[in-house]
Amino acid sequence: EDKVVQSPLSLVVHEGDTVTLNCSYEVTNFRSLLWYKQEKKAPTFLFMLTSSGIEKKSGRLSSILDKKELFSILNITATQTGDSAVYLCAVILTGGGNKLTFGTGTQLKVEL
Amino acid sequence: NAGVTQTPKFQVLKTGQSMTLQCAQDMNHNSMYWYRQDPGMGLRLIYYSASEGTTDKGEVPNGYNVSRLNKREFSLRLESAAPSQTSVYFCASSYRGGYTEAFFGQGTRLTVV
Repeated sequence: EDKVVQSPLSLVVHEGDTVTLNCSYEVTNFRSLLWYKQEKKAPTFLFMLTSSGIEKKSGRLSSILDKKELFSILNITATQTGDSAVYLCAVILTGGGNKLTFGTGTQLKVEL
Repeated sequence: NAGVTQTPKFQVLKTGQSMTLQCAQDMNHNSMYWYRQDPGMGLRLIYYSASEGTTDKGEVPNGYNVSRLNKREFSLRLESAAPSQTSVYFCASSYRGGYTEAFFGQGTRLTVV
């Protein structure tokens, strides 16, 4: 059975801290890994990672994939209260319909 | 630029009633997905469709049926609603399945009493 596991489940930090969110996966026929941010409503896309070792960066957020160890991390530097959200990791599998499977998410709260 | 549109946004059903959740995308996407989201459970895949005319079961398909009516539309039907189906439902679509990101609709909050 395909599995995507995120850790920690929840996290409280202070503004300015750096956080690292983890996503590990055990799936067959891996194609890509995606990160989403969800604030009360629909998830919004952050990154898609297909190749190992290549960092994707957008402002204070960055992510990298390790296909050998089957995990990805999402880093957020200099956190702000607006970063408070649920961060979701998902994997896309090849073949048979491009199945998109999500983890349970990490709830991040950034306090002043 | 509508993107992915879901209707309705809110619905209350009585146990045993049926209903169809509608989803349409105007981005010429090939793959479409239905998820449910419950507190602490993340997004769980109900059904998905790689292209017009094909559908596949996800992790939690029991109690649901789907129709990929055409390339734009992917509906989710609850034939006999149960309280366990109280959830927030999201539809999503992507252009090329594993090669491009998925875009989400705004969700349908369904309560079954």
